[in-house]
Amino acid sequence: DAGVTQSPTHLIKTRGQHVTLRCSPISGHKSVSWYQQVLGQGPQFIFQYYEKEERGRGNFPDRFSARQFPNYSSELNVNALLLGDSALYLCASSLAPGDPTNYGYTFGSGTRLTVV
Amino acid sequence: AQSVTQLGSHVSVSEGALVLLRCNYSSSVPPYLFWYVQYPNQGLQLLLKYTSAATLVKGINGFEAEFKKSETSFHLTKPSAHMSDAAEYFCAVTRNSGYSTLTFGKGTMLLVSP
Repeated sequence: DAGVTQSPTHLIKTRGQHVTLRCSPISGHKSVSWYQQVLGQGPQFIFQYYEKEERGRGNFPDRFSARQFPNYSSELNVNALLLGDSALYLCASSLAPGDPTNYGYTFGSGTRLTVV
Repeated sequence: AQSVTQLGSHVSVSEGALVLLRCNYSSSVPPYLFWYVQYPNQGLQLLLKYTSAATLVKGINGFEAEFKKSETSFHLTKPSAHMSDAAEYFCAVTRNSGYSTLTFGKGTMLLVSP
């Protein structure tokens, strides 16, 4: 079975540009969460989606947005990129949010974004 | 609010020695606790999780952790380190209700020497 797939794996963008990152959850999983991991830090929560609705949002500016599609895949969009947006962006999928006991969170390998 | 503190950004052990990675949590509600491992240029892999059942939790690759409510701790141990255990380890906490999300510690890099 395929795990959580993220694309692209690496990306280099210039300050001020826009970027779209993509995530496909494990088959049957309906919830997708996005995390930002800056070098040397633990992952920070950005968004959580379940059944195409936003269910949670972390402390990130409005430049960050996301959506979930009918097939439960998801996109994370970042506008007006700053140097500080350089990070590993991780996607995690689960059957449903709020019940990690049975379902847990499975992470993808991430997209490494470098802003120059 | 929930938070996790991992003591020691780097821990060095010799191959065959005991591994002990420390994690203390803060939570206003009963927590669920997790340990994840991250190898270079990879995502996070779940090692083990505590979900209010047994306080001693066994995970993959010989790791285990003990939930101690009185000490608000969830330390990760392994009796004998292997070279392949060298990686970064993250402790995470979530609450056991609602649309909860993971709050991670800053991570501990485990270095294993021959």
